[in-house]
Amino acid sequence: QVQLGESGGGVVQPGESLTLSCAASGFSFKNYGMHWVRQAPGKGLEWVAFVRFDGDNKYYQDSVKGRFTISRDNSKNTLYLQMTSLRPEDTAVYYCAKIRSSRQWLILASWGQGTLVTVSS
Amino acid sequence: DIQMTQSPSSLSASVGDTVTITCQASQDINNFLSWYQQKPGRAPKLLIYDSSNLETGVPSRFSGSGSGTDFTFTISSLQPEDVATYYCQQYGDLSLSFGGGTKMELK
Repeated sequence: QVQLGESGGGVVQPGESLTLSCAASGFSFKNYGMHWVRQAPGKGLEWVAFVRFDGDNKYYQDSVKGRFTISRDNSKNTLYLQMTSLRPEDTAVYYCAKIRSSRQWLILASWGQGTLVTVSS
Repeated sequence: DIQMTQSPSSLSASVGDTVTITCQASQDINNFLSWYQQKPGRAPKLLIYDSSNLETGVPSRFSGSGSGTDFTFTISSLQPEDVATYYCQQYGDLSLSFGGGTKMELK
């Protein structure tokens, strides 16, 4: 049974940094690409970033390029999102999501419960 | 980037009704479209992928169709547990994008 558990959210001031973690279990983490998706309070879903199974290929939403870095540690079954220069518009629940299969890497098959990031002065 | 226009934004229906949601892409995405269900306070759940393929374990009352730019999601015989917000998501482009969501309520 796939389990994904996000942590690291909290309240930060504009311009500050924060790193989110996503602990994975119940599947062979090293074989699956992973995504981050966020949802501002009361709003819809917004894709943030993707990392390939081996960490080599990474893709980002334009609004976070240069500020956010997605990474993974396959020895720890953990996905990360390093967020710098945070803005109030980055306030959201951040979800990690597992791809459906190696060939279906843009389909978000399993999601964690999310962690809330609030950027406010 | 590909924009996804989803309608309606809200929908009220009775138990047993058939309900339909549409999603339009700003450019051709072939059949690279998924549908997700999100219940209040919960994470989204994949229901349908590749426009019409039902995810494992999802009830058969959920269905999807379409290709190119126009897509449809249908719930036949609406159940109380289907109260949720539904989102389409395109993956015809590496910059994934979602529709604005349809909030489903019971009459």
